[in-house]
Amino acid sequence: NAGVTQTPKFRILKIGQSMTLQCTQDMNHNYMYWYRQDPGMGLKLIYYSVGAGITDKGEVPNGYNVSRSTTEDFPLRLELAAPSQTSVYFCASSYGTLNQETQYFGPGTRLLVL
Amino acid sequence: AQTVTQSQPEMSVQEAETVTLSCTYDTSESDYYLFWYKQPPSRQMILVIRQEAYKQQNATENRFSVNFQKAAKSFSLKISDSQLGDAAMYFCACQTGANNLFFGTGTRLTVIP
Repeated sequence: NAGVTQTPKFRILKIGQSMTLQCTQDMNHNYMYWYRQDPGMGLKLIYYSVGAGITDKGEVPNGYNVSRSTTEDFPLRLELAAPSQTSVYFCASSYGTLNQETQYFGPGTRLLVL
Repeated sequence: AQTVTQSQPEMSVQEAETVTLSCTYDTSESDYYLFWYKQPPSRQMILVIRQEAYKQQNATENRFSVNFQKAAKSFSLKISDSQLGDAAMYFCACQTGANNLFFGTGTRLTVIP
């Protein structure tokens, strides 16, 4: 199993550009998540999904959109990049059921908005 | 609302010695889970250990163990026989639901040869 994979590893965007961060998991997990990690801070939840076709906002959703058309994939879209979105983005997944809550993280995508 | 507090921004330990990283949390939920994650320079978030709040017995994973004090809402991580590869940022986290995982701000651990 590859676990949770993310692409790209690093990207530089200009203000106002858009991009999609890709996330794929091969563990047949129902739940998937997107977090951002700002320098010197812990992770904060952007969006999450409890299954294909179902998504919901986390703590810091503004400026982002997500979709979940398959169990495996959970892309994160930035429509109008802003410097405040410079961060490291982590995708994670879990079974989401009792005693199976542990989230497994991808390697992260570092995004720089200039 | 949940909060997780790590009061030690940085810690250091001599190789082969023992170090304890502190974490306190606050939640009104009765069912929750606590985690320690390790983040090396590669930035990968690696699960170190987890503790179910309903279990009184402290979790252990090889050289890693926790001291879970439920009444005090304290969840410290003890690393025994520290190794150079243990150097990393360590994050404490509390989860009350599948979509409610809150992280502390991290403790940077340096291992001195």
